[in-house]
Amino acid sequence: QSVLTQPPSASGTPGQRVTISCSGSSSNIGSNAVNWYQQLPGTAPKLLIFSDNERPSGVPDRFSGSKSATSASLAISGLQSEDEADYYCAAWDDTLGAEFFGGGTKLTVL
Amino acid sequence: QVTLRESGPALVKPSQTLTLTCSFSGFSLTTRQTCVSWIRQPPGKALEWLALIDWDDDKFYSTSLKTRLTISRDLSKNQVVLTMTNVDPVDSATYYCARATPDIDGYYFDYWGQGTLVTVSS
Repeated sequence: QSVLTQPPSASGTPGQRVTISCSGSSSNIGSNAVNWYQQLPGTAPKLLIFSDNERPSGVPDRFSGSKSATSASLAISGLQSEDEADYYCAAWDDTLGAEFFGGGTKLTVL
Repeated sequence: QVTLRESGPALVKPSQTLTLTCSFSGFSLTTRQTCVSWIRQPPGKALEWLALIDWDDDKFYSTSLKTRLTISRDLSKNQVVLTMTNVDPVDSATYYCARATPDIDGYYFDYWGQGTLVTVSS
Protein backbone atom coordinates (compact mmCIF):
# COMPACT_ATOMS: atom_id res chain seq x y z
CA GLN A 1 0.00 0.00 0.00
CA SER A 2 1.46 3.34 -1.12
CA VAL A 3 2.02 6.16 1.35
CA LEU A 4 0.62 8.64 -1.20
CA THR A 5 -2.19 7.48 -3.47
CA GLN A 6 -2.96 8.92 -6.89
CA PRO A 7 -5.39 7.76 -9.57
CA PRO A 8 -3.43 5.94 -12.28
CA SER A 9 -5.02 7.91 -15.09
CA ALA A 10 -6.91 11.09 -15.94
CA SER A 11 -8.08 12.62 -19.17
CA GLY A 12 -9.63 15.71 -20.65
CA THR A 13 -10.19 17.55 -23.89
CA PRO A 14 -8.34 20.71 -24.93
CA GLY A 15 -9.56 23.73 -22.99
CA GLN A 16 -11.04 21.68 -20.16
CA ARG A 17 -10.09 21.80 -16.51
CA VAL A 18 -8.82 18.59 -14.94
CA THR A 19 -7.82 17.77 -11.40
CA ILE A 20 -5.53 15.07 -10.08
CA SER A 21 -5.82 13.97 -6.48
CA CYS A 22 -3.19 12.80 -4.01
CA SER A 23 -4.30 11.14 -0.80
CA GLY A 24 -2.06 10.66 2.23
CA SER A 25 -2.23 10.78 6.00
CA SER A 26 -1.66 13.05 8.97
CA SER A 27 2.06 12.24 9.03
CA ASN A 28 2.70 13.41 5.48
CA ILE A 29 0.20 15.59 3.62
CA GLY A 30 -1.55 16.45 6.86
CA SER A 31 1.55 18.05 8.33
CA ASN A 32 3.98 18.78 5.49
CA ALA A 33 4.10 20.55 2.16
CA VAL A 34 3.02 18.78 -1.01
CA ASN A 35 4.98 19.17 -4.22
CA TRP A 36 3.99 18.19 -7.74
CA TYR A 37 6.19 17.10 -10.62
CA GLN A 38 5.47 16.81 -14.32
CA GLN A 39 7.26 14.18 -16.39
CA LEU A 40 6.89 14.52 -20.13
CA PRO A 41 7.50 11.33 -22.12
CA GLY A 42 11.15 10.35 -22.20
CA THR A 43 12.32 13.24 -20.03
CA ALA A 44 13.35 13.89 -16.44
CA PRO A 45 10.69 15.11 -14.01
CA LYS A 46 10.21 18.84 -13.61
CA LEU A 47 9.04 20.71 -10.52
CA LEU A 48 5.53 22.03 -11.18
CA ILE A 49 4.17 23.08 -7.77
CA PHE A 50 5.97 23.40 -4.42
CA SER A 51 4.81 24.22 -0.90
CA ASP A 52 1.28 23.07 -1.72
CA ASN A 53 0.42 25.87 -4.12
CA GLU A 54 3.50 27.80 -5.26
CA ARG A 55 4.61 27.83 -8.88
CA PRO A 56 8.29 28.00 -9.83
CA SER A 57 9.23 30.71 -12.26
CA GLY A 58 8.19 29.76 -15.77
CA VAL A 59 5.31 27.46 -14.85
CA PRO A 60 2.07 28.77 -16.39
CA ASP A 61 -0.66 29.87 -14.02
CA ARG A 62 -2.90 27.25 -15.64
CA PHE A 63 -1.35 24.92 -13.08
CA SER A 64 -2.43 25.26 -9.46
CA GLY A 65 -2.19 23.23 -6.29
CA SER A 66 -4.38 22.97 -3.23
CA LYS A 67 -4.55 20.97 -0.04
CA SER A 68 -7.17 20.06 2.52
CA ALA A 69 -6.47 17.89 5.57
CA THR A 70 -4.73 14.76 4.26
CA SER A 71 -5.44 15.24 0.56
CA ALA A 72 -3.96 17.45 -2.12
CA SER A 73 -4.96 18.27 -5.67
CA LEU A 74 -3.33 19.52 -8.82
CA ALA A 75 -5.60 21.44 -11.17
CA ILE A 76 -4.84 22.16 -14.79
CA SER A 77 -7.09 24.65 -16.52
CA GLY A 78 -7.23 25.39 -20.24
CA LEU A 79 -5.85 21.93 -20.96
CA GLN A 80 -3.38 21.77 -23.84
CA SER A 81 -1.99 18.86 -25.80
CA GLU A 82 1.48 19.52 -24.41
CA ASP A 83 0.15 18.86 -20.91
CA GLU A 84 -0.01 15.16 -21.74
CA ALA A 85 2.42 13.70 -19.22
CA ASP A 86 2.79 11.79 -15.97
CA TYR A 87 2.17 13.79 -12.81
CA TYR A 88 3.54 12.89 -9.39
CA CYS A 89 2.79 14.27 -5.95
CA ALA A 90 5.40 14.07 -3.22
CA ALA A 91 5.69 14.83 0.48
CA TRP A 92 7.89 14.14 3.49
CA ASP A 93 6.54 11.67 6.02
CA ASP A 94 7.36 12.55 9.63
CA THR A 95 6.71 9.06 11.01
CA LEU A 96 8.85 7.27 8.45
CA GLY A 97 11.43 10.05 8.19
CA ALA A 98 11.59 9.88 4.41
CA GLU A 99 10.30 11.47 1.23
CA PHE A 100 7.59 9.70 -0.72
CA PHE A 101 6.19 10.02 -4.21
CA GLY A 102 2.70 9.06 -5.26
CA GLY A 103 2.26 6.32 -7.81
CA GLY A 104 1.82 8.85 -10.60
CA THR A 105 -1.12 9.83 -12.79
CA LYS A 106 -0.95 9.56 -16.55
CA LEU A 107 -2.81 12.48 -18.09
CA THR A 108 -4.19 11.99 -21.58
CA VAL A 109 -5.42 14.91 -23.66
CA LEU A 110 -8.14 13.53 -25.90
CA GLN B 1 22.95 28.07 -14.24
CA VAL B 2 22.25 24.96 -12.19
CA THR B 3 23.09 21.66 -13.84
CA LEU B 4 23.38 18.10 -12.58
CA ARG B 5 24.71 15.06 -14.40
CA GLU B 6 24.62 11.44 -13.32
CA SER B 7 27.29 8.94 -14.25
CA GLY B 8 27.93 5.31 -13.53
CA PRO B 9 27.86 1.84 -15.04
CA ALA B 10 25.08 0.96 -17.44
CA LEU B 11 25.26 -2.73 -16.51
CA VAL B 12 25.85 -4.30 -13.12
CA LYS B 13 25.78 -7.96 -12.12
CA PRO B 14 23.46 -9.19 -9.35
CA SER B 15 24.98 -9.04 -5.84
CA GLN B 16 27.53 -6.41 -6.90
CA THR B 17 27.78 -2.88 -5.52
CA LEU B 18 26.53 -0.04 -7.69
CA THR B 19 28.29 3.31 -7.46
CA LEU B 20 26.70 6.39 -9.03
CA THR B 21 28.14 9.88 -9.18
CA CYS B 22 26.23 13.14 -9.44
CA SER B 23 28.36 16.02 -10.74
CA PHE B 24 26.77 19.41 -10.29
CA SER B 25 27.45 23.05 -11.01
CA GLY B 26 25.77 26.37 -10.39
CA PHE B 27 25.41 25.87 -6.64
CA SER B 28 27.45 24.79 -3.64
CA LEU B 29 26.62 22.06 -1.15
CA THR B 30 28.17 24.20 1.55
CA THR B 31 25.49 26.82 1.14
CA ARG B 32 22.77 26.66 3.78
CA GLN B 33 19.45 25.26 2.60
CA THR B 34 21.09 23.31 -0.21
CA CYS B 35 20.82 19.55 -0.58
CA VAL B 36 21.23 16.85 -3.22
CA SER B 37 18.99 13.82 -3.52
CA TRP B 38 18.83 10.60 -5.51
CA ILE B 39 15.60 9.32 -7.01
CA ARG B 40 15.07 6.32 -9.27
CA GLN B 41 12.45 5.13 -11.71
CA PRO B 42 12.15 1.52 -12.95
CA PRO B 43 11.05 1.29 -16.59
CA GLY B 44 7.36 2.16 -16.87
CA LYS B 45 7.00 2.64 -13.13
CA ALA B 46 6.77 5.44 -10.60
CA LEU B 47 9.46 7.60 -9.06
CA GLU B 48 11.06 6.32 -5.86
CA TRP B 49 13.06 8.55 -3.51
CA LEU B 50 16.34 7.01 -2.34
CA ALA B 51 18.52 9.35 -0.31
CA LEU B 52 19.40 12.97 0.50
CA ILE B 53 22.49 14.75 1.79
CA ASP B 54 22.37 18.32 3.01
CA TRP B 55 24.71 21.29 3.50
CA ASP B 56 25.52 20.11 7.02
CA ASP B 57 26.41 16.60 5.78
CA ASP B 58 23.26 15.18 7.34
CA LYS B 59 21.98 12.15 5.49
CA PHE B 60 18.52 10.66 5.05
CA TYR B 61 17.57 7.37 3.42
CA SER B 62 14.61 5.50 2.04
CA THR B 63 13.14 3.36 4.81
CA SER B 64 13.03 0.28 2.62
CA LEU B 65 16.57 0.62 1.22
CA LYS B 66 18.52 2.26 4.04
CA THR B 67 20.55 -0.85 4.85
CA ARG B 68 21.90 -0.96 1.28
CA LEU B 69 22.48 2.73 0.55
CA THR B 70 25.25 5.15 1.37
CA ILE B 71 25.26 8.78 0.20
CA SER B 72 28.36 10.94 0.46
CA ARG B 73 29.75 14.16 -0.96
CA ASP B 74 33.05 15.43 -2.32
CA LEU B 75 32.97 19.19 -1.90
CA SER B 76 36.22 19.71 -3.79
CA LYS B 77 34.75 18.07 -6.88
CA ASN B 78 31.15 19.24 -6.50
CA GLN B 79 29.99 15.64 -6.51
CA VAL B 80 27.58 13.46 -4.59
CA VAL B 81 28.04 9.70 -4.66
CA LEU B 82 25.44 7.02 -4.03
CA THR B 83 26.42 3.43 -3.41
CA MET B 84 23.95 0.58 -3.37
CA THR B 85 25.11 -2.82 -2.19
CA ASN B 86 23.92 -6.28 -3.21
CA VAL B 87 21.98 -5.15 -6.28
CA ASP B 88 19.20 -7.24 -7.77
CA PRO B 89 17.43 -7.12 -11.15
CA VAL B 90 14.58 -5.22 -9.45
CA ASP B 91 17.08 -2.37 -8.94
CA SER B 92 17.18 -1.83 -12.71
CA ALA B 93 16.03 1.74 -13.21
CA THR B 94 16.87 5.21 -14.39
CA TYR B 95 18.65 6.92 -11.52
CA TYR B 96 18.27 10.68 -11.16
CA CYS B 97 20.05 13.14 -8.96
CA ALA B 98 18.33 16.37 -8.11
CA ARG B 99 19.01 19.52 -6.15
CA ALA B 100 16.73 19.61 -3.15
CA THR B 101 15.64 22.75 -1.39
CA PRO B 102 14.28 22.39 2.12
CA ASP B 103 10.90 23.87 2.80
CA ILE B 104 9.47 24.62 6.21
CA ASP B 105 8.44 20.97 6.41
CA GLY B 106 10.01 18.89 3.68
CA TYR B 107 12.01 19.25 0.52
CA TYR B 108 11.30 19.98 -3.10
CA PHE B 109 13.47 18.95 -6.04
CA ASP B 110 13.91 22.02 -8.20
CA TYR B 111 16.63 20.90 -10.61
CA TRP B 112 17.10 17.41 -12.03
CA GLY B 113 19.76 15.64 -13.99
CA GLN B 114 18.87 13.78 -17.17
CA GLY B 115 19.15 10.42 -15.45
CA THR B 116 21.31 7.37 -16.05
CA LEU B 117 19.88 3.97 -16.90
CA VAL B 118 21.24 1.09 -14.87
CA THR B 119 20.46 -2.52 -15.73
CA VAL B 120 21.15 -5.31 -13.26
CA SER B 121 21.68 -8.56 -15.10
CA SER B 122 24.07 -11.46 -15.18
